[in-house]
Amino acid sequence: DTAVSQTPKYLVTQMGNDKSIKCEQNLGHDTMYWYKQDSKKFLKIMFSYNNKELIINETVPNRFSPKSPDKAHLNLHINSLELGDSAVYFCASSQDIPGGRAPTDTQYFGPGTRLTVL
Amino acid sequence: TQLLEQSPQFLSIQEGENLTVYCNSSSVFSSLQWYRQEPGEGPVLLVTVVTGGEVKKLKRLTFQFGDARKDSSLHITAAQPGDTGLYLCAGALCNAGNNRKLIWGLGTSLGVNP
Repeated sequence: DTAVSQTPKYLVTQMGNDKSIKCEQNLGHDTMYWYKQDSKKFLKIMFSYNNKELIINETVPNRFSPKSPDKAHLNLHINSLELGDSAVYFCASSQDIPGGRAPTDTQYFGPGTRLTVL
Repeated sequence: TQLLEQSPQFLSIQEGENLTVYCNSSSVFSSLQWYRQEPGEGPVLLVTVVTGGEVKKLKRLTFQFGDARKDSSLHITAAQPGDTGLYLCAGALCNAGNNRKLIWGLGTSLGVNP
């Protein structure tokens, strides 16, 4: 029973192509995230959705477009792929309500999608 | 850009040694989490600390939150090869729109040799 799943696990593509990564969580969480982890292992948040609504949108090129068809799914579409997009992309979910001062809830991460742009 | 500084960035030790990893910032966090990431997998939560000065223990791992809630440490006693991995700290901040988000450290890559 995988809590947070991502497909594909590996993605190798040419510069200029458009690709999508899919994420699903079966934990019943309201909040989902996309992170990018570069070759130096720095984990950077890209987007956060709460109940299908965009909550956090960090400084990410508009070639990246998240889509949440329902609260269990958060997909990431990338247009016109560039060499610098090569990284591992992690989806995560939590039961957090994004605002408020309650302790941050656990984030459950997917296994990651290793994207290589040639 | 708000950052959490982690030190050391890399650490290679022998089985049985003790070690401490530090996580420092100039920001005050409402809570702070430690995650461990193994190769080819996503990070997994180890602990959340909330109160300034709080100490939590998880078997051979001891976590401390600084009194001012700006820093934290992770101490491992008698390290085992199974402790090998990337250790990440993440502090929770409320931004101007009262949305809470996690600020992640750059990670400490630990290798424990048998």
